[in-house]
Amino acid sequence: DVKVTQSSRYLVKRTGEKVFLECVQDMDHENMFWYRQDPGLGLRLIYFSYDVKMKEKGDIPEGYSVSREKKERFSLILESASTNQTSMYLCASSQQSAWEEAFFGQGTRLTVV
Amino acid sequence: AQRVTQPEKLLSVFKGAPVELKCNYSYSGSPELFWYVQYSRQRLQLLLRHISRESIKGFTADLNKGETSFHLKKPFAQEEDSAMYYCALEGYGGGKLIFGQGTELSVKP
Repeated sequence: DVKVTQSSRYLVKRTGEKVFLECVQDMDHENMFWYRQDPGLGLRLIYFSYDVKMKEKGDIPEGYSVSREKKERFSLILESASTNQTSMYLCASSQQSAWEEAFFGQGTRLTVV
Repeated sequence: AQRVTQPEKLLSVFKGAPVELKCNYSYSGSPELFWYVQYSRQRLQLLLRHISRESIKGFTADLNKGETSFHLKKPFAQEEDSAMYYCALEGYGGGKLIFGQGTELSVKP
């Protein structure tokens, strides 16, 4: 059974804190993604990575950074959390071709207070 | 720019009625298109993809390049079809997916 695992299901952080969201996949996939999911806005791509140490900005990268030191792990970093970053964050992975299925993690509900 | 538009936030139908969830895209080339579904308290998962020409759980989707649409259809809705549905486009060739805003389908008994 393929798996994408996000380290936390729920997180509550204070404004200004540095926040790390971790994602691990066990399918040896090249691609990994971070999306945020908001009602009425759907899934918006924050960053994606197509190889170790490679990253590419998505549609809403401001206020976020990422790290991919190992193929199986992709971290999303909120340098200084703000209340408008309260959201559901989804990690996904896939093979590197146009028609391959993306596999998603269970999501991390982040609340910034 | 690539864009996926799902015009309906909520679609409510009765059990046994036909269902059509709309998806329109903007892309100048030949994209790969997908429908993903998220059932309550479950993770987002693939429902079907254009390239496979498949029918999954009674759902089908036809790519209309002239209208740039990829609408999802099912002739007879079931209560277990209630979920959030997302249309997605891949246009770069490397697997990067762009999603629409999502449509919540509610099937009433």
